[in-house]
Amino acid sequence: DADVTQTPRNRITKTGKRIMLECSQTKGHDRMYWYRQDPGLGLQLIYYSFDVKDINKGEISDGYSVSRQAQAKFSLSLESAIPNQTALYFCATSGTVDNEQFFGPGTRLTVL
Amino acid sequence: GEDVEQSLFLSVREGDSSVINCTYTDSSSTYLYWYKQEPGAGLQLLTYIFSNMDMKQDQRLTVLLNKKDKHLSLRIADTQTGDSAIYFCAEGAGSYQLTFGKGTKLSVIP
Repeated sequence: DADVTQTPRNRITKTGKRIMLECSQTKGHDRMYWYRQDPGLGLQLIYYSFDVKDINKGEISDGYSVSRQAQAKFSLSLESAIPNQTALYFCATSGTVDNEQFFGPGTRLTVL
Repeated sequence: GEDVEQSLFLSVREGDSSVINCTYTDSSSTYLYWYKQEPGAGLQLLTYIFSNMDMKQDQRLTVLLNKKDKHLSLRIADTQTGDSAIYFCAEGAGSYQLTFGKGTKLSVIP
């Protein structure tokens, strides 16, 4: 079984809708991350969490919110989706030694 | 702020060596990473190098680090069609965040 899972894998929605992307991990890591990937732009950090009570904004947090429901779960919400939030979204986790990050398979989100 | 630069595309013939280059700006980087992303998949860590090393070899992969020039390279020997993917360079200063390059798309020509 995959260590980091994301649901859904694909989602098409309309402008103005609220969307939640979910991430679960079985690696026992405290640190979790949400990234966005756009073609030719690499990965941009949206939010990160060091533990259940510690949540921080990344480079591009506007228009997004997160919830760390448990050590193993970190969800990303788009309160009112807009077309320029169409992208591939990745969740990742890391331990605290070498900061190697383990990625989920990604969620492809399309906002019409 | 930190910046990681890499060329966007590289084409090589099957059996040749591939060299993917990366430059970074954060002199406090502790670890430097190479990730591979295959189509439709997430990123997988290929290898990483600690900043006090200048070379690391792992089977067909060789990582070279020139800390003075802040230059990192990934050499793939005997490149195969299965190596076709996007390769991301990333640097981390031992803190919470990795800074990723934009990725180099490697195309292997049979």
